[in-house]
Amino acid sequence: SYELTQPPSVSVSPGQTASITCSGDKLGDKYACWYQQKPGQSPILVIYQDSKRPSGIPERFSGSNSGNTATLTISGTQAMDEADYYCQAWDSSSYVFGTGTKVTVL
Amino acid sequence: QVQLQESGPGLVKPSETLSLTCAVSGYSISSGYYWGWIRQPPGMGLEWIGSLHHSGSTYYNPSLKSRVTISVDTSKNQFSLKLSSVTAADTAVYYCAKDGGVVVVTAIHYFDYWGQGTLVTVSS
Repeated sequence: SYELTQPPSVSVSPGQTASITCSGDKLGDKYACWYQQKPGQSPILVIYQDSKRPSGIPERFSGSNSGNTATLTISGTQAMDEADYYCQAWDSSSYVFGTGTKVTVL
Repeated sequence: QVQLQESGPGLVKPSETLSLTCAVSGYSISSGYYWGWIRQPPGMGLEWIGSLHHSGSTYYNPSLKSRVTISVDTSKNQFSLKLSSVTAADTAVYYCAKDGGVVVVTAIHYFDYWGQGTLVTVSS
């Protein structure tokens, strides 16, 4: 079965840029999306179709996808961005979620 | 604004069947899109369970397929999940969600609206 691997944790200082990677075989040939989940809350879609932002998502969230890696970038990270982030792709008629990354804003 | 609300028992006994319903408001399921179930064990990541289209088309996670049934009731604008022969490993928060992908473009699937989730504990 298809697997998506993310780093368990990423730390970033306020105002700096956080990059979260999502690795999978030929992921660049598929569409990736990203979710943000804060403790006790439902996931929120922050990026879809590799790089599109849903309405209401701040411009500091951006995405890219090429080769075997999709990347979620948070520019000018704010304390409110501290959360778990999951990538997701579609493969062989299945939705596949990444392992998740905890972003800590120090 | 699309809203989804899960409902069902919060406690299920081992070997029994877990049953949940997702009520949708703000959009008619019959109008299109896929609708899905996702779960998250305590302290762990997200796991897709299965999805369906009002036409009857369904997709199931291969690892759960033998125990899962997802169905739709368009008259009530809701869809349901049944997971049989549950064990403690099925204890999780269960979410229902709407797939925002355009159905005709089969490679684009993502969940743009989520319910608040409901915790189901499997215990005797």
